[in-house]
Amino acid sequence: EVQLLESGGGLVQPGGSLRLSCAASGFIFGTYAMSWVRQAPGKGLEWVSVISDRGHSTYYADSVKGRFTISRDNSKNTLYLQINSLRAEDTAIYYCAKCPYPSTFYLGGPWGQGTLVSVSS
Amino acid sequence: QTVVTQEPSFSVSPGGTVTLTCGLDSDSVSTNYYPSWYQQTPGQAPRTLIYATNIRSSGVPDRFSGSILGNKAALTITGTQTDDESDYYCALYVGRGISVFGGGTKLTVL
Repeated sequence: EVQLLESGGGLVQPGGSLRLSCAASGFIFGTYAMSWVRQAPGKGLEWVSVISDRGHSTYYADSVKGRFTISRDNSKNTLYLQINSLRAEDTAIYYCAKCPYPSTFYLGGPWGQGTLVSVSS
Repeated sequence: QTVVTQEPSFSVSPGGTVTLTCGLDSDSVSTNYYPSWYQQTPGQAPRTLIYATNIRSSGVPDRFSGSILGNKAALTITGTQTDDESDYYCALYVGRGISVFGGGTKLTVL
């Protein structure tokens, strides 16, 4: 069974940084692209970023480009999201999600339970 | 900037059939956009229902089906149950790694 467990969220001041992690199990992690999706309180879903299976290709939403960095360690079956220069509008639950097929970037696999990032002074 | 459109809200009677749609402001939705659908109840993580237009995720009842209807992606729920009352989101893959979500549809079963 696929399991995705996010961690690393918390309360941070504007301008601060956090690194989110997503521990994966139940599948061959290094053969699937992985995404981050976020949801601000009371709002809809927003795709944030995706990374290819080996980590050579990364893509970002315009709203986070230049401030967020997605990465992965296939030896640890872990996905990361480094978030810098945090703003109040980055306050959200951050979910990691597995892409459904190897070598594809589109969404459709299972999701984790999410980790909450709150940006406030 | 790509905008994905969904009905903000929809109502259906228990046992009825409802079709939610997912469109694009600037193009017709086709299978090339790999539409996917997600169900979310309050306080819970989204659950994948359908991906790549019409493939049901593991464990999803066959009451849920995906298709292309006209120029939009569609999620049809037949024999709607009260437990189906949720928010439903679609996502489209627009290329170069980028996906875009619709604003979501709040489905009421009454």
